Amino acid sequence: QVQLVQSGSELKMPGASVKVSCKASGYTFNYFAIIWVRQAPGQGLEWLGWIHTNTGNPTYAQGFTGRFLFSLDTSVSTAYLHIRSLKSEDTAVYYCARASSILTGNFDYWGQGTLVTVSS
Amino acid sequence: QSALTQPPSASGSPGQSVTISCTGTRSDVGGYNYVSWFQQHPGTAPKLLIFEVNKRPSGVPDRFSGSKSGNTASLTVSGLQAEDEADYYCSSYAGSNNVIFGGGTKLTVL
Repeated sequence: QVQLVQSGSELKMPGASVKVSCKASGYTFNYFAIIWVRQAPGQGLEWLGWIHTNTGNPTYAQGFTGRFLFSLDTSVSTAYLHIRSLKSEDTAVYYCARASSILTGNFDYWGQGTLVTVSS
Repeated sequence: QSALTQPPSASGSPGQSVTISCTGTRSDVGGYNYVSWFQQHPGTAPKLLIFEVNKRPSGVPDRFSGSKSGNTASLTVSGLQAEDEADYYCSSYAGSNNVIFGGGTKLTVL
């Protein structure tokens, strides 16, 4: 069965970096893009962007260029979200999901989410 | 780019129908037939209910339906059940390989 399993919760100091992993199984990894979405405590969903799993080409949402980096290790069917220079406002649950098409919004399987807490 | 506009809350009694709106602009909802809807229960990941305005993934009950008129998309939940109580989010393709979400609607089953 299709699964996206994310890495565990992280507690980081402001200014530090964090890397969230998203391991896919149950399907051919490079047939689907991976999207990244975050949800701050008590808030709505926020689009971060996506990565093309064939080319590795990332597309970042406005406001998420520079500190946010999407990457892949196709040998282990895993996508990564790396955030550097963390700020308190980056505290959120970060989700990955697979996408058959960014255009159609068919984001059918999601990871369980990774809570990143930024606090001194 | 601002989030799509959804009412913060909606409610209905079991068995009734409720409709949640999602308003955008010509650059997103109005410009493409690519609106999705997601259901999220507390502490869980979002679940895809509708994509491409009115298509349901396999396994989603036909009590959930989507539509669009102009810059506003709608999700209708018919025959409300207690388990439908959740947060609902719309999303739309917004051009340049990007997507925008709505602010979310909390649905209460009375």
